[in-house]
Amino acid sequence: QQQVRQSPQSLTVWEGETAILNCSYENSAFDYFPWYQQFPGEGPALLIAIRSVSDKKEDGGFTIFFNKREKNLSLHIKDSQPGDSATYFCAASGNNNNRIFFGDGTQLVVKP
Amino acid sequence: GPKVLQIPSHQIIDMGQMVTLNCDPVSNHLYFYWYKQILGQQMEFLVNFYNGKVMEKSKLFKDQFSVERPDGSYFTLKIQPTALEDSAVYFCASSLGGSTEVFFGKGTRLTVV
Repeated sequence: QQQVRQSPQSLTVWEGETAILNCSYENSAFDYFPWYQQFPGEGPALLIAIRSVSDKKEDGGFTIFFNKREKNLSLHIKDSQPGDSATYFCAASGNNNNRIFFGDGTQLVVKP
Repeated sequence: GPKVLQIPSHQIIDMGQMVTLNCDPVSNHLYFYWYKQILGQQMEFLVNFYNGKVMEKSKLFKDQFSVERPDGSYFTLKIQPTALEDSAVYFCASSLGGSTEVFFGKGTRLTVV
């Protein structure tokens, strides 16, 4: 059973638009939700994370909106740039479980 | 920021041979992980390791896999014997604690021929 689901699988936006990446999860015990950004040939790098006690987290042009009741969250990338083109993974962990569960990723392309 | 180093970056090995993937985690981190990624897709959890022991492993962590970190040196993933389906990019990661930021290395691309 997939613990973390992401949509869409791929997303293309124009430079300057806001990209919205969606994520949902199964386990109510998850309390930590990091988003990772991965460029080809690189490892995933932490972009921004939120804990379940919050419903919003902003960092620069990146914002996470979190809905605990619905068990979903989204990553908004404001004023997207071509350099933001990458694969974005939503992940979840919690209950002092050291294991991070990853979604399948959303491949974002920002066209100039 | 903190870096996890993985050696080598690429490895080609004959099926049936043994391979050891090496990871130098962030120096004060206590938890260590291996993930497997095929074709840039989903990151599949293999195992996590703390205080010298495997804490949890997934179904992908076959009997041919083993991990260790002798005396605080490299955290290693050994596959013996290798199979064709072990071809993937293996990412090592480390964190200070549970539910804290996990840092990933750049991965080792393993090709089994």
